[in-house]
Amino acid sequence: DAKTTQPPSMDCAEGRAANLPCNHSTISGNEYVYWYRQIHSQGPQYIIHGLKNNETNEMASLIITEDRKSSTLILPHATLRDTAVYYCIVWYTGNQFYFGTGTSLTVIP
Amino acid sequence: GAGVSQSPRYKVAKRGQDVALRCDPISGHVSLFWYQQALGQGPEFLTYFQNEAQLDKSGLPSDRFFAERPEGSVSTLKIQRTQQEDSAVYLCASSLLGISEQYFGPGTRLTVT
Repeated sequence: DAKTTQPPSMDCAEGRAANLPCNHSTISGNEYVYWYRQIHSQGPQYIIHGLKNNETNEMASLIITEDRKSSTLILPHATLRDTAVYYCIVWYTGNQFYFGTGTSLTVIP
Repeated sequence: GAGVSQSPRYKVAKRGQDVALRCDPISGHVSLFWYQQALGQGPEFLTYFQNEAQLDKSGLPSDRFFAERPEGSVSTLKIQRTQQEDSAVYLCASSLLGISEQYFGPGTRLTVT
């Protein structure tokens, strides 16, 4: 069952930051927030995950609000290759990994 | 290095036929997952292995679906008496242990006619 809400689609200009929001107002204290993306006709690709603190890696940054009810994935300098469906998932041990329908991000030249 | 591979990449089956889909995970990865992805939808969990043990099969849609990983490496997803509603992309993923960072294969697109 869906525990996250994401906009169905977003556009972003090439070279600009892409900010993808995710609402997870019913998240419990031990549930992690995961982000994956899926480029057309490929399998999903792990991006980043976090629990309470903001996280950054070579691909993206994850900003989680203090109340943990929402988060934002930031791609700092979007390129055309970042065009994909982005999935926000909340998960804890024993639960199924539920992808939902994600946000379709289109990076525009 | 080699990623997760799946074969065949495409499979067309007549309704009622049995199919077997293969997944070769990344060497050394303990956990293996199968997902089903219908057109326009996100992947949906089917089943999970840790080594050869099938720890969760709650996502398998019917008893026509069966998965195995007998030696804790290669896995096979078998669908018996295929139906049109089984048409989907079947994705396999592996991870070092547990959910944390799953590496996905390219998927097998199954079309049941």
